[in-house]
Amino acid sequence: ETGVTQTPRHLVMGMTNKKSLKCEQHLGHNAMYWYKQSAKKPLELMFVYNFKEQTENNSVPSRFSPECPNSSHLFLHLHTLQPEDSALYLCASSQDLGDNGNTIYFGEGSWLTVV
Amino acid sequence: GQNIDQPTEMTATEGAIVQINCTYQTSGFNGLFWYQQHAGEAPTFLSYNVLDGLEEKGRFSSFLSRSKGYSYLLLKELQMKDSASYLCAVRDSNYQLIWGAGTKLIIKP
Repeated sequence: ETGVTQTPRHLVMGMTNKKSLKCEQHLGHNAMYWYKQSAKKPLELMFVYNFKEQTENNSVPSRFSPECPNSSHLFLHLHTLQPEDSALYLCASSQDLGDNGNTIYFGEGSWLTVV
Repeated sequence: GQNIDQPTEMTATEGAIVQINCTYQTSGFNGLFWYQQHAGEAPTFLSYNVLDGLEEKGRFSSFLSRSKGYSYLLLKELQMKDSASYLCAVRDSNYQLIWGAGTKLIIKP
């Protein structure tokens, strides 16, 4: 138990579907992240939120839409995805941004399959 | 560009010692992290190095040489449960984490 909870753990969706991934952290952190993890590739940072404000968008296609209603919750809205978007999507949180020793805590991820 | 290199896969024997290397080329340096990730689970924090030298934590140790852009994770008295992927990440001058692709460690009896 890392203090970061993601739902659903597994999701299969068609290319025309709309779905959402949810993340909740119970650590009192101010920064939250979405990462994409594909087999044998480095973690790809998608979005960063700090105090509910988006501070980073790493050229992510608009078919991925993040939402951060408060510092404890983060959503990733998905629509008209492509098969190459199939991957493990990891949510993470940290106390804040910067600060050399700032440790990131990950959720267990949502396995997404686009068919 | 920024780059983190680590071996794709390593195999070791239960009870032995294994060293997983990580070399990096980043724009600035604000610390290096090692994470462990079991299949189907969240990456979990193992160690953090910001100064040169060795940090020891039980069976696991992590070493850093900033001048060489090099780190290693040393695992002693290997156990079957140590079979996992080990991720190296460097925080750059903008405090962004740059990740390696991970090293899959296979422990054999």
